[in-house]
Amino acid sequence: AQTVTQSQPEMSVQEAETVTLSCTYDTSESDYYLFWYKQPPSRQMILVIRQEAYKQQNATENRFSVNFQKAAKSFSLKISDSQLGDAAMYFCAHDGVSGNTPLVFGKGTRLSVIA
Amino acid sequence: DTGVSQDPRHKITKRGQNVTFRCDPISEHNRLYWYRQTLGQGPEFLTYFQNEAQLEKSRLLSDRFSAERPKGSFSTLEIQRTEQGDSAMYLCASSQGLNQPQHFGDGTRLSIL
Repeated sequence: AQTVTQSQPEMSVQEAETVTLSCTYDTSESDYYLFWYKQPPSRQMILVIRQEAYKQQNATENRFSVNFQKAAKSFSLKISDSQLGDAAMYFCAHDGVSGNTPLVFGKGTRLSVIA
Repeated sequence: DTGVSQDPRHKITKRGQNVTFRCDPISEHNRLYWYRQTLGQGPEFLTYFQNEAQLEKSRLLSDRFSAERPKGSFSTLEIQRTEQGDSAMYLCASSQGLNQPQHFGDGTRLSIL
């Protein structure tokens, strides 16, 4: 069974600083996708970044980047130059390429940004 | 792109009543997903459709739950004989296909009295 573990229930960062959110996963799939979703207090989930497991290059989207370690099954999210609007719940998620497994989410990390 | 729309935003009902939620996906998204999210947890998969076909159902989806997507556009999720444990946020998402990013709606928060 696919599992996703986020070991940091809460994190905080000073505005303009950098923070890293951790995620580990377990899967029986040989190929898969990994995602980070953001859920602000308004509750709508928003896709932050997506990584295809067969690509060795780490995905980057503006201030957001990932450190994907396939052998270690680790997928951390780095947020640079943190902004007040980055405060939210962040969920790591896994999706198998075959489509036979549903999107599996971790329990989330609540990020606070301190002005 | 008007986004995924869910109705109602909040539903309060008495235990034992039936409730129905509606989800309108992004147009031309052929995949539609339902999730349940309780406080302090990540979303848990319930079921998904490709067009009008319901392709997978989680074991979380008891016999009291039923979902439909009759014309491959909007979907409904019905819960019969609601129980206290059904209190949660019910999220709908849609995607353009296999392994494409899922776009989520605002959710329907169900409160059972």
